[in-house]
This record gives sequence, structure tokens and C-alpha cells, in this order.
Amino acid sequence: KQEVTQIPAALSVPEGENLVLNCSFTDSAIYNLQWFRQDPGKGLTSLLLIQSSQREQTSGRLNASLDKSSGRSTLYIAASQPGDSATYLCAVKGAGNMLTFGGGTRLMVKP
Amino acid sequence: EAQVTQNPRYLITVTGKKLTVTCSQNMNHEYMSWYRQDPGLGLRQIYYSMNVEVTDKGDVPEGYKVSRKEKRNFPLILESPSPNQTSLYFCASSPLTSAGGYTFGSGTRLTVV
Repeated sequence: KQEVTQIPAALSVPEGENLVLNCSFTDSAIYNLQWFRQDPGKGLTSLLLIQSSQREQTSGRLNASLDKSSGRSTLYIAASQPGDSATYLCAVKGAGNMLTFGGGTRLMVKP
Repeated sequence: EAQVTQNPRYLITVTGKKLTVTCSQNMNHEYMSWYRQDPGLGLRQIYYSMNVEVTDKGDVPEGYKVSRKEKRNFPLILESPSPNQTSLYFCASSPLTSAGGYTFGSGTRLTVV
């Protein structure tokens, strides 16, 4: 059964720092990987979608990489801002269209 | 705008009173799914549907029902809600192609007293 782990569980940084969130998964037979953002009590917003054949995707200050063979993905946030404060969730899509989530990284960016 | 729409956003009800949470998507996705999110337990799948009239249980189906009579709609039914079903619920959809990503609704905060 697929298991997805996110490290760290929580992170607090001063504004302006570049930071890296980590995601690992146990079964490399995935179709794609998505990074989501969730504000407290709100819905999940898709940030980046990386196909299994891709190595990375970029959107603005966000860059996500994927190393399928080693079961790892990283989300890089450049020049962090207080508005980036949220929980970031990694999820992998596997057989049967099933989506497996990690536990999330709760990010706080201090002004 | 491509989206998944859930209603209501907030709901407070009493134990045993049947309720339905609606979910609709406008992207012609084959696959739809319901999740609940609880502190410390993350997101858990309740039911999913691969297409019209095809539904199956997820990880936590007890106490819930679903139906898929039309491709765009996937309502979640609680026949006799109990306090342990107090949670944040999300509906999601995706194409069945391997490359397709998931789109989530804004969530329904349900409180059962």
C-alpha cells in the first residue's frame, strides 16, 4: 500500500527565506504527483502537477521536482512571504486513479 | 471556470436527521470522490465513482451513501448522522487519464450535535 510522508511537519521561517518542503513515497509506480495548498478550514488548491515522466514543474516562485525512482519530491518556495503561510500537501496518483496524501507541512512565514 | 462546487459550506444538524451534501463538477470528469479531513488523521477517502452508476467504498464508508446518476453530480448522503461524523468534507474530481490531476471543492464543515 502506498505511503506518503512529508517532512518537516511544521516549519517557521522569517520572510524572504528560500525554503524546501520534502515529500517521499514508498511505491514508485505512480502516474503523477500534485502539490496542494490548504489555508485553515479551507479547500485544497492545486499548486503544481508533475507527471511521472517529468523531472520538475515551475509556477512563479514555486518549483517542484520529482525523482520517481527514489520516491521523492521537493517543493521549493523562493523568497517566502507571509501570504505563503498555509499547509502544503503532497499527493501521489497511482493505480485505480487513487490519490494518496501525505500528512502535510504547516508553514508559517513571519514578517 | 473549471471547478467543483459543494453545498452547503457550513451545516449544523442534530443526530439522526438525514442530510445530503451536494457536489457538482463542470469539467466532464469521469472520476469523483468524497474525503473527510480530521485533525491528526489527514484526508481519508469515503467513497468514489469511476463513472455514472459505478461507485465503490473508500477507506471510511460506514455511515455514508453516495449516488452517481449523472456524470456531473455526486451527492454524499448521511442517512442518520452521528457526532463522530462531525468533520470537514471535500468532494474532488479528476479525469481517468493517467495524466489527469485532481480538482477539489471548497469543503463542507459539518457539525452533528
